[in-house]
Amino acid sequence: DAGITQSPRHKVTETGTPVTLRCHQTENHRYMYWYRQDPGHGLRLIHYSYGVKDTDKGEVSDGYSVSRSKTEDFLLTLESATSSQTSVYFCAISELGSSYNEQFFGPGTRLTVL
Amino acid sequence: RKEVEQDPGPFNVPEGATVAFNCTYSNSASQSFFWYRQDCRKEPKLLMSVYSSGNEDGRFTAQLNRASQYISLLIRDSKLSDSATYLCVVTPWNNNDMRFGAGTRLTVKP
Repeated sequence: DAGITQSPRHKVTETGTPVTLRCHQTENHRYMYWYRQDPGHGLRLIHYSYGVKDTDKGEVSDGYSVSRSKTEDFLLTLESATSSQTSVYFCAISELGSSYNEQFFGPGTRLTVL
Repeated sequence: RKEVEQDPGPFNVPEGATVAFNCTYSNSASQSFFWYRQDCRKEPKLLMSVYSSGNEDGRFTAQLNRASQYISLLIRDSKLSDSATYLCVVTPWNNNDMRFGAGTRLTVKP
């Protein structure tokens, strides 16, 4: 299995609080991604990174920000969590970009915003 | 209309059955296609890429029809361990914005 960890694995928070999710990889892959998965929608890309300090928006980026200061870490921040951000969040990594080869996913973080 | 559409199922089949899933996509610029498998409360994992000429991996066969913009996955001789949700994924060329279908759930019963 690819070396990807996510923390925390579960979190319950209240509306309006800031939340940061961490993705850590040991594979030295260039690309890192954050997705959310909701029933009936499949996985939807929030943001992705193609290198240290290089990030871009995905399909559902509103309300989220990301940072990548080291190759191995990709942080997802919800500045002010809302109930609509209750979801399962998956981090993924890819060596050459998703058009060329597979993405490896982390175990996921279950976030509940009350 | 969603960019990638799949029949959500569930498909309930007996062991040994052959089952087929279809997936349609709306973006004609899509160039890369994949099937991922996701077990309950786990992360998705790549099952197979889908090539224009079609490809086979053991009991699994994937086909691509660009003219009709659909992808299929055929599973022969179903095993209990095939029970999972199968995700169809498409990506425009040179673009990291993978689009996932919502998944088709398969349950293989003894």
